[in-house]
Amino acid sequence: GAGVSQSPRYKVAKRGQDVALRCDPISGHVSLFWYQQALGQGPEFLTYFQNEAQLDKSGLPSDRFFAERPEGSVSTLKIQRTQQEDSAVYLCASSPRDRGLTDTQYFGPGTRLTVL
Amino acid sequence: AQSVTQLDSHVSVSEGTPVLLRCNYSSSYSPSLFWYVQHPNKGLQLLLKYTSAATLVKGINGFEAEFKKSETSFHLTKPSAHMSDAAEYFCVVSEVGSKYKLTFGKGTLLTVNP
Repeated sequence: GAGVSQSPRYKVAKRGQDVALRCDPISGHVSLFWYQQALGQGPEFLTYFQNEAQLDKSGLPSDRFFAERPEGSVSTLKIQRTQQEDSAVYLCASSPRDRGLTDTQYFGPGTRLTVL
Repeated sequence: AQSVTQLDSHVSVSEGTPVLLRCNYSSSYSPSLFWYVQHPNKGLQLLLKYTSAATLVKGINGFEAEFKKSETSFHLTKPSAHMSDAAEYFCVVSEVGSKYKLTFGKGTLLTVNP
């Protein structure tokens, strides 16, 4: 079946622009996660949704970052007034049950954001 | 706070020889431990996971890892490397109370030479 998909795959933004990154999780998956992967580093947790509820946003680096999942399916990560330090690959993952527990998180291919 | 340290940023092996990717973890409680693999332009894929059952965990593609609490280690091994194993490998930990929150190591790039 279809895996997690993300769009766009690549995004170039000028400093100060707003961007929106989309994630389509595996159908029926309750949990959805966003991670940020800087060049040469491992992914870092940003935020977690259980259905439409955002239960943990402790990893969002600033108030310029905002995520939503209004209908409990597709999610959007929005970054306002982008800065060069926002350049990274943004990964989305989903898992079948609430809170993930020890369920496998299935990752999408990521969106590579470059801020000039 | 939980963390993982991958002891090698780059490992190079010849095809057909054993693979050893080293990982040490730090965790206050009983951790869950994972190895993920990332091929270029592809999503992260779970290789295997340890969740307090058997300490020797077998994963996909012939990989396995052994949880050693006394050494706080979770090294990844494979008896014989294949060219298709060339990729970035991440050791990952999650903790009781926030098992959804994965903490990744910095990764080990595995190169397989013909």
